Amino acid sequence: QQQVKQSPQSLIVQKGGISIINCAYENTAFDYFPWYQQFPGKGPALLIAIRPDVSEKKEGRFTISFNKSAKQFSLHIMDSQPGDSATYFCAASMMNTGNQFYFGTGTSLTVIP
Amino acid sequence: GVTQSPTHLIKTRGQQVTLRCSSQSGHNTVSWYQQALGQGPQFIFQYYRKEENGRGNFPPRFSGLQFPNDSSELNVNALELDDSALYLCASSLQGVTEAFFGQGTRLTVV
Repeated sequence: QQQVKQSPQSLIVQKGGISIINCAYENTAFDYFPWYQQFPGKGPALLIAIRPDVSEKKEGRFTISFNKSAKQFSLHIMDSQPGDSATYFCAASMMNTGNQFYFGTGTSLTVIP
Repeated sequence: GVTQSPTHLIKTRGQQVTLRCSSQSGHNTVSWYQQALGQGPQFIFQYYRKEENGRGNFPPRFSGLQFPNDSSELNVNALELDDSALYLCASSLQGVTEAFFGQGTRLTVV
């Protein structure tokens, strides 16, 4: 059973546009929700993370929106750039388990110049 | 940072393989993940203080070790074709969720 569901599978956005990736989770015990960015041939790199006591977190062009009642969270990339072209993974964990993450299936983002 | 070796490996079905991970300095918890092509990473197991501290849905032929210097190994016995994947390790401090991943080892089983 996929504990974290992610959509869309792929996304094509024009430079300067907004990229939106959505995730949904089942386990209400999850209390840490990171987003990772992965370039081909590289390991995932932490982009931004949120805990369920806040509904939104912004870091530069990246924003996480969190809806605890719907068990959904999303990543918004503002002013998308060609350098943002990568695969993005949402994940969830319980803080007392440290780095034991359940990952979504990934979204391949392509930003067209 | 977190470093893994080797970067690529080709093995024959039925063989055994050992992958290595050097954690970020000061980190005492390491987790291993399997990432099949086009999929998200799947949690294999976590080690803390040299003890297994959680396991995902992987059979016992996947085993690990953590050494006093917080480096670790992933061992896979009786390799199967479906074991072909990118294997990632992630290190962190116990109780801290921010984790750092290595670049991975690409294992191909033929």
